[in-house]
Amino acid sequence: AQSVAQPEDQVNVAEGNPLTVKCTYSVSGNPYLFWYVQYPNRGLQFLLKYITGDNLVKGSYGFEAEFNKSQTSFHLKKPSALVSDSALYFCAVRDPGYSSASKIIFGSGTRLSIRP
Amino acid sequence: GAVVSQHPSRVICKSGTSVKIECRSLDFQATTMFWYRQFPKQSLMLMATSNEGSKATYEQGVEKDKFLINHASLTLSTLTVTSAHPEDSSFYICSARVRDRDSYEQYFGPGTRLTVT
Repeated sequence: AQSVAQPEDQVNVAEGNPLTVKCTYSVSGNPYLFWYVQYPNRGLQFLLKYITGDNLVKGSYGFEAEFNKSQTSFHLKKPSALVSDSALYFCAVRDPGYSSASKIIFGSGTRLSIRP
Repeated sequence: GAVVSQHPSRVICKSGTSVKIECRSLDFQATTMFWYRQFPKQSLMLMATSNEGSKATYEQGVEKDKFLINHASLTLSTLTVTSAHPEDSSFYICSARVRDRDSYEQYFGPGTRLTVT
């Protein structure tokens, strides 16, 4: 069964510093990997996804993520954090096929807190 | 881009009553819709998968008689929480899937906050 793990419940970073939010995955075959962000009492906003190709994926709001097959990781990164980046971040995975059984599975979430 | 809407965004109901949440794909047809539930400070847990014109498939541990899902058209799915209790209070998020060649894209609604008093 496919799964993702986010080992950190919370990440604290000073504004202007680089940030990393960690994610590891377990899936048979080639995974589709996603990052979503959720602000308080709001739905999910799509940040970026990896399907195939370049291991470094660039997404919205200056975020990027690096797919590392040997380490089965897909960490989210940003070179310079903003206070407005403070939110709840979810890593997610699904299998690449199109079937009725295909579904997105979410990690436990990491709360990112950026201090001024 | 594809937009998924939910109505209502917030609802408060009394214990024992039923409440219906609508999920619509506004500019595309979705053969499959998903319903997720999120407790405070927790992740999204998939409740069920609904396909247009057929019965929903529920995840293990989800009571299908309590959470009634109807997917009557390619743009509308509804979740009805029957005989709601305070423990059903949660944030419910729907998602709609659209085919894209050999794969698909999945889009999420803004969520519905249900509070049962």
